[in-house]
Amino acid sequence: GAVVSQHPSWVICKSGTSVKIECRSLDFQATTMFWYRQFPKQSLMLMATSNEGSKATYEQGVEKDKFLINHASLTLSTLTVTSAHPEDSSFYICSAPDTTGSQPQHFGDGTRLSIL
Amino acid sequence: AQSVAQPEDQVNVAEGNPLTVKCTYSVSGNPYLFWYVQYPNRGLQFLLKYITGDNLVKGSYGFEAEFNKSQTSFHLKKPSALVSDSALYFCAVRVTGGGNKLTFGTGTQLKVEL
Repeated sequence: GAVVSQHPSWVICKSGTSVKIECRSLDFQATTMFWYRQFPKQSLMLMATSNEGSKATYEQGVEKDKFLINHASLTLSTLTVTSAHPEDSSFYICSAPDTTGSQPQHFGDGTRLSIL
Repeated sequence: AQSVAQPEDQVNVAEGNPLTVKCTYSVSGNPYLFWYVQYPNRGLQFLLKYITGDNLVKGSYGFEAEFNKSQTSFHLKKPSALVSDSALYFCAVRVTGGGNKLTFGTGTQLKVEL
């Protein structure tokens, strides 16, 4: 079945570092992908929708310059957290829409980002 | 705008007993409803969906959900809970006109104890 691979699983880095998270659709093409942020024991908050070959669509309140999204190919979207600070620590999850109609989205396993 | 409510932050049940995780929704038009499960430090796994047809929907791992239009509910159920069912469960509704975009509930932590 369709699989979305997200890398890395865990990142620990110093404040001020930029961190890139990759999201790949492994056996299908994804013209759009979704990026979510999840705080402990809370729901998923949609941050943005990445669009292959064009600019991402950000949800209200999400800083575009802080969370850079690039969707350079039909199988890869990246989220870069620029100049990360401790308040950016969170669990980030990507997903890609299903192409068969069996379910709406396939989710990656998430990236735990910890900024020291 | 559509919304989903999960009134219980946590549900505790003994192994072997039936479980119910509640979900109510608010949408204009026909609802497209989904249940997902999340294990610690993992992404979401699809359990089941209601698009149209029978009100009782069967999904993965023995789970089922009952769509009730009059009560605008879509409760998740399982006849006999397992300890391995302990996880975070999310109800979701498709965003009207949003393609595959979803709106999620706040999640319910299910704890199944021996």
